Amino acid sequence: GAVVSQHPSRVICKSGTSVKIECRSLDFQATTMFWYRQFPKQSLMLMATSNEGSKATYEQGVEKDKFLINHASLTLSTLTVTSAHPEDSSFYICSAMDRGGNTIYFGEGSWLTVV
Amino acid sequence: AQSVTQPDIHITVSEGASLELRCNYSYGATPYLFWYVQSPGQGLQLLLKYFSGDTLVQGIKGFEAEFKRSQSSFNLRKPSVHWSDAAEYFCAVGAEAYYFGNEKLTFGTGTRLTIIP
Repeated sequence: GAVVSQHPSRVICKSGTSVKIECRSLDFQATTMFWYRQFPKQSLMLMATSNEGSKATYEQGVEKDKFLINHASLTLSTLTVTSAHPEDSSFYICSAMDRGGNTIYFGEGSWLTVV
Repeated sequence: AQSVTQPDIHITVSEGASLELRCNYSYGATPYLFWYVQSPGQGLQLLLKYFSGDTLVQGIKGFEAEFKRSQSSFNLRKPSVHWSDAAEYFCAVGAEAYYFGNEKLTFGTGTRLTIIP
């Protein structure tokens, strides 16, 4: 079946550096991808909606210069956390909607720890 | 490896009728289980979660879910649906360590709920 691959599953980076998380649809074309974050013991929070070939739509309160989203192809969206700080440490998960808009598939998430 | 199965891709019910959405999971230890709802154009919203204790969990919007270890199930129920319940529903399972910042979260493929008058 359809699979969404998210990489890396865990990453540790130093404060001030940038880190990129990839979300790939492996056997289908995803015109829309969603990025969520979750702090431990809290619910998922939508950060942005990413459409292929256009700028991402960010939710209120999410810094677009801090969390750069690129959806350059129908199978890949990337989230780059720029100048990461410890408060950015979180669980980031993506989901991808197939071309027909019928089904949404989730990655298994990426744990970011900023030290 | 953990997995989640939502056997029903699409369910249609009449407004006011009862609802049950099925979720079966595979996990080797005690799972942490979640139900999320996604309305068109919106992000996920947590309906309820199960960690331990009472196996019947009450959530928001009148939903409840029952954890049945023997059946590896965590079905979502509502006694009387409203038109506003039309949405996509996702079941998810995580390891105990997930909720404390270490492991992955696995989602099912979702069940689309349509409400008819």
